[in-house]
Amino acid sequence: DTAVSQTPKYLVTQMGNDKSIKCEQNLGHDTMYWYKQDSKKFLKIMFSYNNKELIINETVPNRFSPKSPDKAHLNLHINSLELGDSAVYFCASIGDSSYEQYFGPGTRLTVT
Amino acid sequence: EDQVTQSPEALRLQEGESSSLNCSYTVSGLRGLFWYRQDPGKGPEFLFTLYSAGEEKEKERLKATLTKKESFLHITAPKPEDSATYLCAVRDYKLSFGAGTTVTVRA
Repeated sequence: DTAVSQTPKYLVTQMGNDKSIKCEQNLGHDTMYWYKQDSKKFLKIMFSYNNKELIINETVPNRFSPKSPDKAHLNLHINSLELGDSAVYFCASIGDSSYEQYFGPGTRLTVT
Repeated sequence: EDQVTQSPEALRLQEGESSSLNCSYTVSGLRGLFWYRQDPGKGPEFLFTLYSAGEEKEKERLKATLTKKESFLHITAPKPEDSATYLCAVRDYKLSFGAGTTVTVRA
């Protein structure tokens, strides 16, 4: 069973479009994250939600809007896509009793 | 701001040739140092958590150690399947990652 899943795996779109990435975890964790990994492999945190509430927002442009309909899901909507948004986006989750983060397989976003 | 620096950037090893990866960090209040393995096209996979200087953890051919300023990931007698990018991260209220060390083990 996949612990943290993301869809789609690949996303190719043009500048100016709006797109969404979905994430689901079946681990029963309360906290979920979105990370961006650029071409230099740096993983940088974007957002964190705990039980549907935003707890971390790392100065991400407001074109990025996360939404958590329930604690098992955390989606990422991106408006007016720019070339610099091209990256791999990872979703992750963490349990309350452990600080180990479980990552999804990633969504490779390419903006042309 | 938290800083995590990993070295070397890339490491090419012959099968059986042991080596070490370095992770040096500055963080205001360390609440754990984490090692992850990332294979191409996949998400990072958790390996170890270390919480205090002097702590060591082992898993198969990997051993992680921690001092007050750095952590080492020792790979003993590596095999080709140990080829991956190894990421180090420190935690205060969030995880801050280093850029990783890409290890290639040739048979």
